[in-house]
Amino acid sequence: QKEVEQDPGPLSVPEGAIVSLNCTYSNSAFQYFMWYRQYSRKGPELLMYTYSSGNKEDGRFTAQVDKSSKYISLFIRDSQPSDSATYLCAMSERDDKIIFGKGTRLHILP
Amino acid sequence: GAGVSQSPSNKVTEKGKDVELRCDPISGHTALYWYRQSLGQGLEFLIYFQGNSAPDKSGLPSDRFSAERTGGSVSTLTIQRTQQEDSAVYLCASSLSSGGLNEQFFGPGTRLTVL
Repeated sequence: QKEVEQDPGPLSVPEGAIVSLNCTYSNSAFQYFMWYRQYSRKGPELLMYTYSSGNKEDGRFTAQVDKSSKYISLFIRDSQPSDSATYLCAMSERDDKIIFGKGTRLHILP
Repeated sequence: GAGVSQSPSNKVTEKGKDVELRCDPISGHTALYWYRQSLGQGLEFLIYFQGNSAPDKSGLPSDRFSAERTGGSVSTLTIQRTQQEDSAVYLCASSLSSGGLNEQFFGPGTRLTVL
């Protein structure tokens, strides 16, 4: 079993829909949970991060961590075509070496 | 300010040749990482440099891969005797690494194609 599992998609949803992206993991020592967004032919950029369990909201984006289930989610409300990108979950035990998921390709259809 | 830069942006080489990929991290960032990203494989950790400490080479896939970081700044990833399976986008990232969450800032990557 890989340390971090993420469905590669692609995931296509109509504009305005709520998007749910998820990852599961096996290492219970992970403490930092992150979501990176990567546009085509660009490097990933940090979108949101959460330390330990709980929810975090930033505008249209909400990150959730459920450590008991080893499951993290990213929700995007009122999705826009500009949200079309690859979303990578990432996590780490410490603050340096990060383990990334494979990324989910998201297409928001206008 | 300037972000992480990588050169070349694209590299096409023949099987068996050596290639060097360069990364210029953000000034002042003490940590530098190399990743490889290929279709269907996601982001694969290769090597990590932190200050003057010995690098974490645990992700290098074979002894054909090596990296160095000179003067705590610029880094070069070298792939010797390239193989077709080395074709991928090679990404470099840097971070401050000052405790707590250290955001990694990524460069645009070098797209390597081995013919």
